[in-house]
Amino acid sequence: DAGVIQSPRHEVTEMGQEVTLRCKPISGHDYLFWYRQTMMRGLELLIYFNNNVPIDDSGMPEDRFSAKMPNASFSTLKIQPSEPRDSAVYFCASSYGTAVRGYTFGSGTRLTVV
Amino acid sequence: AQSVTQLGSHVSVSEGALVLLRCNYSSSVPPYLFWYVQYPNQGLQLLLKYTSAATLVKGINGFEAEFKKSETSFHLTKPSAHMSDAAEYFCAVSGNLNFGNEKLTFGTGTRLTIIP
Repeated sequence: DAGVIQSPRHEVTEMGQEVTLRCKPISGHDYLFWYRQTMMRGLELLIYFNNNVPIDDSGMPEDRFSAKMPNASFSTLKIQPSEPRDSAVYFCASSYGTAVRGYTFGSGTRLTVV
Repeated sequence: AQSVTQLGSHVSVSEGALVLLRCNYSSSVPPYLFWYVQYPNQGLQLLLKYTSAATLVKGINGFEAEFKKSETSFHLTKPSAHMSDAAEYFCAVSGNLNFGNEKLTFGTGTRLTIIP
């Protein structure tokens, strides 16, 4: 089991550019979560999917953020246009059946917008 | 809405001493509670979880936590700290699973430092 795989591990981009973060959940997991971690706000849930369908996107900060899950093995989080305040570590996590089992987190993508 | 409060953003203990990390929760429904650990430059790893079975829960690396409903607490303990325990620890509470709310709400984290 390769775990949850995120790419890239680090991303540095200029303000105004489009950024795409990628996630491959564990095979067989039917829930996928995107979290953002900053010093000021801690871990914030952005959006989560069940069976590729977005269930709760109330944490998405604004229209500049969008997330998709075209199939069970891939998800993207896109920021367009990016701003310096988007700098954070973005985590993807997946779980099987219910969150009660606990999530498995990826190693995260550290995004820096300059 | 569910929430957790972690008391103490930084905790330092000597190697071999007791580790106690505090977490209090607020929930309108019987909660499921979790502790996760995050090592530098890594994702979060599940340490243990309470899912309404035994109130004393044992996890990995010698950690355990006790669910106390009367105190709305779920504190994490380890009898003897090891240098490898240095990390950040997060308490989390589930949403209302009866309504299909599968999201976890995390606390602000406690950074544990071990003094040699």
